[in-house]
Amino acid sequence: SSELIQDPAVSVALGQTVTIRCQGDNLRRYYASWYQQKPGQAPVLVFYDKENRPSGIPDRFSGSSSGNTASLIITGAQAEDEADYYCNSRDTSGYYVFGPGTAVTVL
Amino acid sequence: QVQLVESGGGVIRPGESLRLSCAASGFAFSTSAMHWVRQAPGKGLEWVAGIWHDGSNIVYGDSVRGRFTISRDNSKNTLLLQMNTLRAEDTAVYYCARESVHFFNSYFFASWGQGALVTVSS
Repeated sequence: SSELIQDPAVSVALGQTVTIRCQGDNLRRYYASWYQQKPGQAPVLVFYDKENRPSGIPDRFSGSSSGNTASLIITGAQAEDEADYYCNSRDTSGYYVFGPGTAVTVL
Repeated sequence: QVQLVESGGGVIRPGESLRLSCAASGFAFSTSAMHWVRQAPGKGLEWVAGIWHDGSNIVYGDSVRGRFTISRDNSKNTLLLQMNTLRAEDTAVYYCARESVHFFNSYFFASWGQGALVTVSS
């Protein structure tokens, strides 16, 4: 299956905006989904397809998609947003792939 | 609410077998595709295997194909992962996850269990 590429780490000042990117050929055909994982905890879905957040996820989390790139945007980052973020996508054979993850640090 | 509870993890020697279970509740298990995802210590998430709602289609990641078998019992709302010929590199927390579909091109893991730790060591 195809791979997904993410930046290993990004940092953002408290209250500022950060964009986490994910690139891969699968994204031309299937939307990405995004997962937040804090140390010692299970992943949590925070955004999926074009414009959807699960209930309970703050509206400072948003997303976009264009071509082979998907983005997760945190507008007004909070201390509790410090975590690892993974993108994921399916391919036409029904296989799934995760990106390597982006560690977000809130300064 | 949706609950996924994994069990069956533990310490096992290389070459041996182990079976993980995932007990599901709070949703229509028999109409949901299900998956196993793992995470080695200090590493990222790795998709392991998936099974359609009725078991009619099964897919595996390259690293486990031929050694692991995913199955389900819809009468018991249970997802299983039989792991054979285990290797040190299979050491990981194993999560079960419920797949949801929003559009024909939008698939995602809507719910996750807390994970079961499998340690393969001599």
